Amino acid sequence: DTGVSQDPRHKITKRGQNVTFRCDPISEHNRLYWYRQTLGQGPEFLTYFQNEAQLEKSRLLSDRFSAERPKGSFSTLEIQRTEQGDSAMYLCASSSPGQFSGNTIYFGEGSWLTVV
Amino acid sequence: GQNIDQPTEMTATEGAIVQINCTYQTSGFNGLFWYQQHAGEAPTFLSYNVLDGLEEKGRFSSFLSRSKGYSYLLLKELQMKDSASYLCAVRSGYSTLTFGKGTMLLVSP
Repeated sequence: DTGVSQDPRHKITKRGQNVTFRCDPISEHNRLYWYRQTLGQGPEFLTYFQNEAQLEKSRLLSDRFSAERPKGSFSTLEIQRTEQGDSAMYLCASSSPGQFSGNTIYFGEGSWLTVV
Repeated sequence: GQNIDQPTEMTATEGAIVQINCTYQTSGFNGLFWYQQHAGEAPTFLSYNVLDGLEEKGRFSSFLSRSKGYSYLLLKELQMKDSASYLCAVRSGYSTLTFGKGTMLLVSP
């Protein structure tokens, strides 16, 4: 399978704990995105990397959230001191410039977070 | 900022045709995308428009009018498996995609 992969797929954590999600993009894609989605809403942009550089961060990304892409390949999204409002599906996506389809973003299966 | 509007829900019958509309307001428009999302799954890419006109891809077609800030997704010969949420997304400049809230389509027998 050469798609975007995310791990873990599901995570239940107690409020106040830290969680980390990992994303492996499509291998030739140099752009990587994190989105968050709650029930009945469309995905909301969190942050974006081109290679290892974090180029854009949403105001949704509070100080408790941090994302890295140290070698320009996989990425991690860490949430510190989780709150119940953090419960959502965290989607990773990747794209490559110059593709015919206008830098189409391809999503992974998502990581479901439940904070109890 | 960006504003994307699409209907919350639509219903249609198997074998019919349905059109899902999307209106948007943005600066530096650089493409409109449609994604399909089944419950509990990730969005999957359906179509991309950057110039005015109709793009056809099998049973699905997407139309764009940049001057009107308007797009639609047309689904023909509806099947039960087409029941899903359909997300309209807009790219502004070289930035990321901004998504609408999605239109939940229910296809009935």
